[in-house]
Amino acid sequence: DAGITQSPRHKVTETGTPVTLRCHQTENHRYMYWYRQDPGHGLRLIHYSYGVKDTDKGEVSDGYSVSRSKTEDFLLTLESATSSQTSVYFCAINEGRGSQETQYFGPGTRLLVL
Amino acid sequence: DAKTTQPNSMESNEEEPVHLPCNHSTISGTDYIHWYRQLPSQGPEYVIHGLTSNVNNRMASLAIAEDRKSSTLILHRATLRDAAVYYCILASGSARQLTFGSGTQLTVLP
Repeated sequence: DAGITQSPRHKVTETGTPVTLRCHQTENHRYMYWYRQDPGHGLRLIHYSYGVKDTDKGEVSDGYSVSRSKTEDFLLTLESATSSQTSVYFCAINEGRGSQETQYFGPGTRLLVL
Repeated sequence: DAKTTQPNSMESNEEEPVHLPCNHSTISGTDYIHWYRQLPSQGPEYVIHGLTSNVNNRMASLAIAEDRKSSTLILHRATLRDAAVYYCILASGSARQLTFGSGTQLTVLP
């Protein structure tokens, strides 16, 4: 499972409150990703990181920020949660090199914004 | 990123082979064809990938058309645990910033 954990695994929060999701990896992978998945849809990239303090936006980054102050942790923050951010959030890392790189995904965090 | 087209759903009988098709007519020369699957309530997992030649691993085989505009994921003997959504994804060079479509929901009938 490439040593990826996500916390919390489930969270219920109220509209307007800040929420932080954590992705933790134990194998020193450089690239880390946050995706969201809504019912009946594939995953969409929110933000990604290519090293400590190096991050960039993905397809659906509005309303989200990220931080990576150490290699093993990639944090996703919803600054002011909205009901449209109710979703399942997956973290991923890249494993392998060059053309043999593949992504490994964490177990997901289910977030409900009321 | 180049797009892929997959059927929304397919059914298979247990212990029979399954051929999952994917069309990618706008594939570029550096795009690798990746397949991931997502079991219920889990994150996606890598299945297989290739560039031009057919590929085999312990999970599946990948057959790539000579013109690379289509490919087929082959599960040689479907089990109930293979029921999942299968995603065909093009990735240029390294597998970064993957773009997931809606995938194919595979149902395996006992």
